[in-house]
Amino acid sequence: NAGVIQTPRHKVTGKGQEATLWCEPISGHSAVFWYRQTIVQGLEFLTYFRNQAPIDDSGMPKERFSAQMPNQSHSTLKIQSTQPQDSAVYLCASSLVGTGNTLYFGEGSRLIVV
Amino acid sequence: GQQVQQSPASLVLQEGENAELQCNFSTSLNSMQWFYQRPGGSLVSLFYNPSGTKHSGRLTSTTVIKERRSSLHISSSQTTDSGTYLCALVNTEGADRLTFGKGTQLIIQP
Repeated sequence: NAGVIQTPRHKVTGKGQEATLWCEPISGHSAVFWYRQTIVQGLEFLTYFRNQAPIDDSGMPKERFSAQMPNQSHSTLKIQSTQPQDSAVYLCASSLVGTGNTLYFGEGSRLIVV
Repeated sequence: GQQVQQSPASLVLQEGENAELQCNFSTSLNSMQWFYQRPGGSLVSLFYNPSGTKHSGRLTSTTVIKERRSSLHISSSQTTDSGTYLCALVNTEGADRLTFGKGTQLIIQP
């Protein structure tokens, strides 16, 4: 069991460019979550999929952020026209069924927008 | 207001001392988890504890729903316990998402 795999681990992008982050959940886990972590805000919920269907995207900035889960083995988080305030560690997590079970986090993707 | 409040924000102890970390929540609770994060590292689940007391080695988690609080006790602390401890809850309206506290930064000095 390789755990939750996130790529890239680090990404530096110029302001206005697009950034795409990938997550491979633990095999068999039906729930996938995306969080963002900064020193100031701490851990913020972004979006959640269950059985590949989007369940709750209430934490997603509406205009430039989008997330997809095209199959059970990976999810992507795309940020268009990146801004310096998007700089953060983006964390993906998976669990068996929602959060009634333990949540397992990946190592995170550190995004720096310059 | 913030649904999950952790205290203290930081704690410095000498090796061998006990640590008591608190998590207070302002909403009705469906589940509660404690996580550990090393600087620059991933989050590791320590306890899934919606109510009552659970033990794991030197760690004890106690959640008292009526009082809307959960605590994490670390006995005989070691330098390797240093890091950030986060509590997170799912409230009864939260549709499964975890809401995190800001964490307690624990530093254990040799």
